[in-house]
Amino acid sequence: SQQGEEDPQALSIQEGENATMNCSYKTSINNLQWYRQNSGRGLVHLILIRSNEREKHSGRLRVTLDTSKKSSSLLITASRAADTASYFCATGFTGANSKLTFGKGITLSVRP
Amino acid sequence: DGGITQSPKYLFRKEGQNVTLSCEQNLNHDAMYWYRQDPGQGLRLIYYSQIVNDFQKGDIAEGYSVSREKKESFPLTVTSAQKNPTAFYLCASADLDIQYFGAGTRLSVL
Repeated sequence: SQQGEEDPQALSIQEGENATMNCSYKTSINNLQWYRQNSGRGLVHLILIRSNEREKHSGRLRVTLDTSKKSSSLLITASRAADTASYFCATGFTGANSKLTFGKGITLSVRP
Repeated sequence: DGGITQSPKYLFRKEGQNVTLSCEQNLNHDAMYWYRQDPGQGLRLIYYSQIVNDFQKGDIAEGYSVSREKKESFPLTVTSAQKNPTAFYLCASADLDIQYFGAGTRLSVL
């Protein structure tokens, strides 16, 4: 079952613009993560936010989490052509038998 | 050079044949996972293992089997019972909550 649903499904922006991607989920979680996938490759972890956190930054990335609305957003500032990829949110619980549930992903195209 | 190694990169399966996808990690992680990805779709969990000699079914385990005899290795067998095996298969290992992925194996049916 896929817990996270990303929005929009596809996003096309100009280099230098900001990209905002959203994720909604259904059940309680302990942490939410964002991953990136370049075409035909494996996923790479970008950032993790725990349920007791509201906002987190990593370089040009900013992620927010609203547990009352069961939603998260990922902001990429000053986008580059190299940011072109698919982005997935994943939700999970820490601890024994921990596993992640991935959404269907957002395809981001950054035009040079 | 640390990481997750999946092989082969491309694999072709004949009708009625079992095929095995290799996944090796040298990150000393206890947990390992197998996912299936279909075009334009997210990842669906096939099997996962939190420790050697133990594994659990994921959401779509039917037609697949795994073993975990060594910490470093978590091979996935796609059996002839899996009628629609064409997909991109991803293996991951985990350090606490973060998963680290291999480059994937693309399986097609001849």
